[in-house]
Amino acid sequence: GQSLEQPSEVTAVEGAIVQINCTYQTSGFYGLSWYQQHDGGAPTFLSYNALDGLEETGRFSSFLSRSDSYGYLLLQELQMKDSASYFCAVVGKLIFGQGTTLQVKP
Amino acid sequence: GAGVSQTPSNKVTEKGKYVELRCDPISGHTALYWYRQSLGQGPEFLIYFQGTGAADDSGLPNDRFFAVRPEGSVSTLKIQRTERGDSAMYLCASSLTATKSSTDTQYFGPGTRLTVL
Repeated sequence: GQSLEQPSEVTAVEGAIVQINCTYQTSGFYGLSWYQQHDGGAPTFLSYNALDGLEETGRFSSFLSRSDSYGYLLLQELQMKDSASYFCAVVGKLIFGQGTTLQVKP
Repeated sequence: GAGVSQTPSNKVTEKGKYVELRCDPISGHTALYWYRQSLGQGPEFLIYFQGTGAADDSGLPNDRFFAVRPEGSVSTLKIQRTERGDSAMYLCASSLTATKSSTDTQYFGPGTRLTVL
């Protein structure tokens, strides 16, 4: 079958760094995307990896290892507004993970 | 338009009724996607359009669900004989290009929260 696995919850403090992992099992893989969704809001695009390695966009970075079917989202200098759900998604299959709820504490 | 819009924002209906959910994509976006999201879950793919045609409807749960995009812009998701299990947030997204393998960003609308009593 096709699936993505993410931790359900992560807690961190303001100013810290947090990593949200995603492992996937799918055929026809084109890349891994990450989306952020605040409570009651729509998912918004954060990052995309088609090739192995690290992609950096400001405080957010995303990493992909195709040989390990694994990726992660790295959030640095955490702010309270980063409290949200984060989803990894397989491009090409339109499959989303179950989401990781990040709670940032003061 | 400036972003993807969806109407209504909330819809409450009774079991057995018919509902229509509307999505207005970003102007010029050829690809349009429908997802369903239950509380605490990720978006679940339903169907996606390239232009006017449904390129992949493999996510539609059963024949009570149907979607159209007659002019390649606005899309309507139609649900017949609604059931309580259909209650969820229905999200629409659009992207510039028209392939499922595209790296183009999907822009999501605010969703329609459907409640079936």
